[in-house]
Formats: sequence, structure tokens, C-alpha cells
Amino acid sequence: AQSVTQLGSHVSVSEGALVLLRCNYSSSVPPYLFWYVQYPNQGLQLLLKYTTGATLVKGINGFEAEFKKSETSFHLTKPSAHMSDAAEYFCAVSRAGAGSYQLTFGKGTKLSVIP
Amino acid sequence: DADVTQTPRNRITKTGKRIMLECSQTKGHDRMYWYRQDPGLGLRLIYYSFDVKDINKGEISDGYSVSRQAQAKFSLSLESAIPNQTALYFCATSGRLAQTNTGELFFGEGSRLTVL
Repeated sequence: AQSVTQLGSHVSVSEGALVLLRCNYSSSVPPYLFWYVQYPNQGLQLLLKYTTGATLVKGINGFEAEFKKSETSFHLTKPSAHMSDAAEYFCAVSRAGAGSYQLTFGKGTKLSVIP
Repeated sequence: DADVTQTPRNRITKTGKRIMLECSQTKGHDRMYWYRQDPGLGLRLIYYSFDVKDINKGEISDGYSVSRQAQAKFSLSLESAIPNQTALYFCATSGRLAQTNTGELFFGEGSRLTVL
């Protein structure tokens, strides 16, 4: 079984401040990990993903995340928040090595950026 | 044009009515999924299909049915809609294991359903 916990359903940051969205996972096998973003009235789009190799993953719009196996974490960061980053962010885990892939999503974190 | 297209985008209906949400994709993917999104609950899997002859229940399939009419088409039906099925519904696709695939999903823009 796999699960995802996102700490904080709402996070507010000032424009220009560090963005940190937390994600912890549980998985019985090596995971593939994802961050998706959902802008208002839109579907989800992939920000970044970790599969294998380098544990620091860079995504679109200046976001990055680091896979830490010892902490079972995959936190999303951005050095300087922009107003356009206001959205809901979902962490997800899928089972690597399975004959099929099913993503399990966290409950989401809504990011507000204060001018 | 969007790779994953959902129709209708918005629908208001009454309790007891039959509703069908349709999804079509041009990504050439074998796998298609229906998710439901509720505020504070994230996305929950309703049904998924790995090919035309393969349909599987997800974690919240009760009250829903699906049909995979072709590789590119996957529809979700609510036989008798009830108010707690009011939600945002997403269709998604992914490639087969043999293809470049890490389980990444590609989403449609969603269908907002309101059941009165």
C-alpha cells in the first residue's frame, strides 16, 4: 500500500519569499514521486517528477524537490514566490516496478502569495 | 487542441437523473482513468482501464460505471445521480509500461458536476 501526506492544507507566503510545500510518503517499494499543480478552473499539470538517479529534481517555473529516502519526504521548494504561483499543489506517489502504475495523491496544499 | 478532452465541462442536473461524462484523448495512450476531486480530499480514483477489454474499480466506484468504447474514449456514467456526487471529475491518461512511462498522468481540464 502507498500513501501521501501533505502537511498544511493552506500555505501563505509573501511575494519574493521562499516557498516550501511538504510531502511525506509511504511505499513498500521504491517510489516514483510527482508534484502536480492546479491553477484555478484548470486541470492538473506536472511540475516535476522523481524516478531514479539524482535526488534533486528541477521542474518548471523554478520549482524543485528533493527525494530523501531516509525521511520518506519529497518537499517542493521555490526560492522566490511569484504571484502567478498561487495555485493548489498535489504530491503523488506511484509504485515503481509494478506491472501497472496507479498514482495515489495527497489531499493538496493551496498556496497563496501575498503582494 | 487539448490532448485529453472532457465533455461537458459543466453540468447541473437533478437527483435521480442519469449522467454521462465523456473523455477522449489524442495521446495514443492505452491507459485511462477517472478521478473525482472534492475540496480537502484531493483526487480519488473511481475507475481505470488499461485497454479496451480491461476495466478496474478504483477506491470509490460505488454509484458509478464506465465504458471504454475505443482506445481513445472512456466515459463515466452516474446511473442515478445523488447530491453527494457533486464534484469536479477528471479524466487522465498514461502510457503503457513498455513505453516511456513512469506512471505520469496527463489530465483533462475537468467536468464540474452539480447534482441538485
